[in-house]
Amino acid sequence: QVQLVESGGGVVQPGKSLRISCAASGFRFNTFAMHWVRQAPGKGLEWVAFISYDGSKKYYADSVKGRFTVSRDHSKSTVYLQMNSLTAEDTAVYYCARDFIAAVVNWFDPWGQGTLVTVSS
Amino acid sequence: QSALTQPRSVSGSPGQSVTISCTGTSSDVGAYSYVSWYQQNPGKAPKLMIYDVNKRPSGVPDRFSGSKSGNTASLIISGLQAEDEADYYCCSYAGSYVFATGTKVIVL
Repeated sequence: QVQLVESGGGVVQPGKSLRISCAASGFRFNTFAMHWVRQAPGKGLEWVAFISYDGSKKYYADSVKGRFTVSRDHSKSTVYLQMNSLTAEDTAVYYCARDFIAAVVNWFDPWGQGTLVTVSS
Repeated sequence: QSALTQPRSVSGSPGQSVTISCTGTSSDVGAYSYVSWYQQNPGKAPKLMIYDVNKRPSGVPDRFSGSKSGNTASLIISGLQAEDEADYYCCSYAGSYVFATGTKVIVL
């Protein structure tokens, strides 16, 4: 079955960088786009980034544009989120989600269990 | 895009129906039929329940349905069950994805 396992979260100081990963299995990784969605503690969901199936298209939320970079490695069936210049507002559980293909706009399903990133001095 | 608005909580007894509203604007919810709904149990990952306003992914019980009128989308849970107690989030797409604030469904 489809599995998405995030890793790499932890505590990082403001202004520093962190890279988190999402290892995929149970499906043909190189045929699906992927998303990152985050959830601050006790708050709602926020879409963060999208990467197309072949890595040629990448889109970001305005809140992370210029600071975060999404990438993927097909040899490892893994998608990454490189996060730079982190602030306290980036503290959240970060979920990766597979692209759910609909008629026009795609959605998010399934999701991984998430990895917690805490930005604190 | 501003966040969409949902009630903080709704409640109902087992077997009853509850409706969760998701209010946006004429630029997002009102403009397109691109609304999805996600169920999130405490400490768990979200799960897609409804997409494109009223379509159900395979495996989602048919007691979950969706609709839209004007700038407001709705998730209807008919025949409420104890296992439906969770947080629910709507999401709209209008050039970018925006989620709502979330609604806690309480089964009395």
